[in-house]
Amino acid sequence: KQEVTQIPAALSVPEGENLVLNCSFTDSAIYNLQWFRQDPGKGLTSLLLIQSSQREQTSGRLNASLDKSSGRSTLYIAASQPGDSATYLCAVRQETSGSRLTFGEGTQLTVNP
Amino acid sequence: NAGVTQTPKFRVLKTGQSMTLLCAQDMNHEYMYWYRQDPGMGLRLIHYSVGEGTTAKGEVPDGYNVSRLKKQNFLLGLESAAPSQTSVYFCASSWRTGTAYNEQFFGPGTRLTVL
Repeated sequence: KQEVTQIPAALSVPEGENLVLNCSFTDSAIYNLQWFRQDPGKGLTSLLLIQSSQREQTSGRLNASLDKSSGRSTLYIAASQPGDSATYLCAVRQETSGSRLTFGEGTQLTVNP
Repeated sequence: NAGVTQTPKFRVLKTGQSMTLLCAQDMNHEYMYWYRQDPGMGLRLIHYSVGEGTTAKGEVPDGYNVSRLKKQNFLLGLESAAPSQTSVYFCASSWRTGTAYNEQFFGPGTRLTVL
């Protein structure tokens, strides 16, 4: 059974800092991996989708990397801002599970002014 | 486009009562999903649908039923609510391009409390 782990569970940084969020998964036979952002009391917003054949995907200040063979992905946030404060979740889509996703529990990020 | 919408936003039930949560999407997506989100347990898939008229069980289907009579709607039913079903429920949808599975889009959630 696929398990997705996100470490740390919570992170607090000063504004302007570059930071990395980690995601690991136990079964490397994945189709793609998706990073989401969730604000308190809200739904999930898709940030990046990275295919298993890709090493990186970028959107603005966000960069996601994927090392499929080692079962790891990172989300890099450059020049963090207070508005980046949210919970960040990663989810993997396995080769054998069709369109379904398996989620990690998320990293709660706080960016202090 | 409204994207994915959910009705209602909040609901309080008594044990044993029934209710239906409605999810609607206007993106013509084939796939739709119902998740629940609980502290310490993350998001877990309840049921999903790969097309109109089809449904399948996810990770935690017990106590729930679903129907997908129209492509744009996916209903989640609780026949006899239990306190263990207190949770935040999210609906999502996605589509496929050829053999490629695309990203999932989520609704705003329904916060359900069962007393």
